[in-house]
Amino acid sequence: AQKITQTQPGMFVQEKEAVTLDCTYDTSDQSYGLFWYKQPSSGEMIFLIYQGSYDEQNATEGRYSLNFQKARKSANLVISASQLGDSAMYFCAMREGNYGGATNKLIFGTGTLLAVQP
Amino acid sequence: NAGVTQTPKFRVLKTGQSMTLLCAQDMNHEYMYWYRQDPGMGLRLIHYSVGEGTTAKGEVPDGYNVSRLKKQNFLLGLESAAPSQTSVYFCASRTSGETQYFGPGTRLLVL
Repeated sequence: AQKITQTQPGMFVQEKEAVTLDCTYDTSDQSYGLFWYKQPSSGEMIFLIYQGSYDEQNATEGRYSLNFQKARKSANLVISASQLGDSAMYFCAMREGNYGGATNKLIFGTGTLLAVQP
Repeated sequence: NAGVTQTPKFRVLKTGQSMTLLCAQDMNHEYMYWYRQDPGMGLRLIHYSVGEGTTAKGEVPDGYNVSRLKKQNFLLGLESAAPSQTSVYFCASRTSGETQYFGPGTRLLVL
């Protein structure tokens, strides 16, 4: 069965430093997608970044980058130059099903709570 | 363009009461999803829809029903609420692409 594992329940980081949030996944599919979502204290789920299993380059979106290591089945999120507003819960998720498929579903990890300290 | 909206934002029910949560999206997305989020757990899929008039079960469908009579709306119903259904409920939608876009969530407390 497909599974997402986030082993860090919580982390602290100093403002302006970089931080890596860990995510490992388990799947037997060749085609899959990996996502990171941010959930601030206000509760909404905000899409951050996506990596397809066939993408050769690591995905980047502004200060967010996804360190994709296929052989190790890891998809860590790197946040550069942390800001106070980055304090939030972060969820890693994996798409179950083929790209764009009608029955695609997301499987979520349990999340990592990041606290950015001034 | 409001994106994905959810009604209500917060609700308290007594055990055995019924209610309907409404999800609406104005992005003309085909696919819509209902998740629940419980403390210490990630989001879990309750039901989903691949188009108007279609619904399918997710990971935790028991105790819930859904309907998608219009493309832009996806309703989640609780016929007889139980304390175990106390949770935060999220709706999401997407096009044929990969990314699901989430609504703001509904906090439900069942006493």
